[in-house]
Amino acid sequence: DVQMTQSPSSLSASVGDRVTITCRASQTISYFLNWYQQKPGRAPKVLIYATSTLQSGVSSRFSGSGSGTEFTLTITNLQAEDFATYYCQQTYRTPVTFGGGTKVDVK
Amino acid sequence: QVHLVQSGPEVKKPGSSVKVSCKASGGPFSSSTLSWVRQAPGLGLEWLGNITPLFARADYAQKFRGRLTFTTDEPTRTSYMELRSLTYEDTAVYYCATERLDRTTTYNWYDPWGQGTQVIVSS
Repeated sequence: DVQMTQSPSSLSASVGDRVTITCRASQTISYFLNWYQQKPGRAPKVLIYATSTLQSGVSSRFSGSGSGTEFTLTITNLQAEDFATYYCQQTYRTPVTFGGGTKVDVK
Repeated sequence: QVHLVQSGPEVKKPGSSVKVSCKASGGPFSSSTLSWVRQAPGLGLEWLGNITPLFARADYAQKFRGRLTFTTDEPTRTSYMELRSLTYEDTAVYYCATERLDRTTTYNWYDPWGQGTQVIVSS
């Protein structure tokens, strides 16, 4: 199975900050990497797919980059509605696997 | 636009089975791949597998083979996930999600997701 390691597992930030979350795959997954946002009691919501493509309707404050085994989600000008947990997901091979999540909370 | 609505919460005893439904409205059904993901309390996301009605093909995570079955009912546009021989470790929120596919690049992602179904295994 492809292991997805996210870091950090949690971070504290303030409104207006720039936040970077990293996801590492245990083997190359090309660009088959998606990012999701989840708020308490809600289903995950896709933010970025295929490493860097912004889902329709998602704020341009979110961006993704990377390839192979290292990927990054960046949130610029963090807003109140961005405090949530973020997950990466690889769909290169089954079983599909997710990172352990990064909780972004208020500093 | 596809919209997924799941069945309500369940409380089950260890050793029993649970069947969760996921009804799709809007968009194609038969040709779409539907995935199932679960989330244990306070933990991350775990892929259970997927099913594509058109090909009558299901793919299960190795961990669940033998006690997990996906089915679909095309007239009602409803998919089902049945998990048998439940243990306390199966307590989780179970989600269905439509797999979106870029046919040119084969990149795929999950959107939308159902609202989730809480399954509690308790004696």
